[in-house]
Amino acid sequence: DQQVKQNSPSLSVQEGRISILNCDYTNSMFDYFLWYKKYPAEGPTFLISISSIKDKNEDGRFTVFLNKSAKHLSLHIVPSQPGDSAVYFCAASESGNQFYFGTGTSLTVIP
Amino acid sequence: GAVVSQHPSRVICKSGTSVKIECRSLDFQATTMFWYRQFPKQSLMLMATSNEGSKATYEQGVEKDKFLINHASLTLSTLTVTSAHPEDSSFYICSAIELGQGLLPPYEQYFGPGTRLTVT
Repeated sequence: DQQVKQNSPSLSVQEGRISILNCDYTNSMFDYFLWYKKYPAEGPTFLISISSIKDKNEDGRFTVFLNKSAKHLSLHIVPSQPGDSAVYFCAASESGNQFYFGTGTSLTVIP
Repeated sequence: GAVVSQHPSRVICKSGTSVKIECRSLDFQATTMFWYRQFPKQSLMLMATSNEGSKATYEQGVEKDKFLINHASLTLSTLTVTSAHPEDSSFYICSAIELGQGLLPPYEQYFGPGTRLTVT
């Protein structure tokens, strides 16, 4: 049973505009959420994270929003750049024990 | 930054043979290493958690006698796929948590580049 879901397998955005990637989870015990970026033939790299005690975390062009009541988080990238084109995975964890990954969203930023 | 390597990056083997994949933390010591498997267009599925000097903890549904994991040192973990079959063909990725860093947020794990296994 997939505990973390990314329902959009792909997303295309014009350069300079905002990219919004969504993620839903089912386990209310998850207390930490992470976003990873992955290029083809490479392993994922950590992008940004958020604790369940927060509803927003910002790092430069990247902002993650958490809605605990809806069990939903989103990653906003603004402005989007062509180099942001990659697959983005969200992951959830309960106190750092095991990490459950979503299926990924392939983002294409069009120049 | 922390670097994790995997070797080989790509391997093709015949059905019935065994394949060993190495995961190394190059510039840090890793108390814990994770092994993941990724099918096309699917999420990373955790296979097992490997702690240095102790037996690996396998996720439900993962055959420990088929996927042998050894974490002999703080910088090396190996995954051996024994008696490989075509259905074992997949992308295997390891990750490592730096000594003393994994118990607190952001629980940062560093991923290797992955190994593409094809069993013919």
